Amino acid sequence: AQRVTQPEKLLSVFKGAPVELKCNYSYSGSPELFWYVQYSRQRLQLLLRHISRESIKGFTADLNKGETSFHLKKPFAQEEDSAMYYCALKEAGSYQLTFGKGTKLSVIP
Amino acid sequence: GAVVSQHPSWVICKSGTSVKIECRSLDFQATTMFWYRQFPKQSLMLMATSNEGSKATYEQGVEKDKFLINHASLTLSTLTVTSAHPEDSSFYICSATGLAGGIDEQFFGPGTRLTVL
Repeated sequence: AQRVTQPEKLLSVFKGAPVELKCNYSYSGSPELFWYVQYSRQRLQLLLRHISRESIKGFTADLNKGETSFHLKKPFAQEEDSAMYYCALKEAGSYQLTFGKGTKLSVIP
Repeated sequence: GAVVSQHPSWVICKSGTSVKIECRSLDFQATTMFWYRQFPKQSLMLMATSNEGSKATYEQGVEKDKFLINHASLTLSTLTVTSAHPEDSSFYICSATGLAGGIDEQFFGPGTRLTVL
């Protein structure tokens, strides 16, 4: 069965510092990986997906099949980036998402 | 983007009563909707997959007789927690699959906080 691991429950960084939120997955097939973000008192929303290979709000994530990782990165953290971040995996041919436990990012002014 | 609503946003009920939560896709049709449960400071756990016009598919360990799901139309799915007990208190979130920029995406509702006394 597929599994998504986010090793850090909480990550605190200073404003302007680089950010890396780790995500590792286990899945035997060819997965689709996503990062979702949940700002305080807001609903979960898609941040980015690996197939789009785009940068959203300065965040990027590269799928590394060799390391089975999909780490989320941003070179300079902003206070408004403080939120819960969830890594998720979707099996090929399915709509179901498997979520990691989430990492709370706190950007210190 | 596509919007998913949930009603009610919160509900408090007595133990033994049933509670119905609605999930609606407001500006798109969703053939597939999902119901998740989120415990405090924990991740979303998929409870069931709901397809319009057919029976829901429940994840292992989720009691289908306790969590009744009805997906009667392409814009509405309901989750009924039957004979609720305090351990059912949780945050219930639905999502609906729709197209965004030609790509399938899951759009999430704001969630419903259920407290069972």
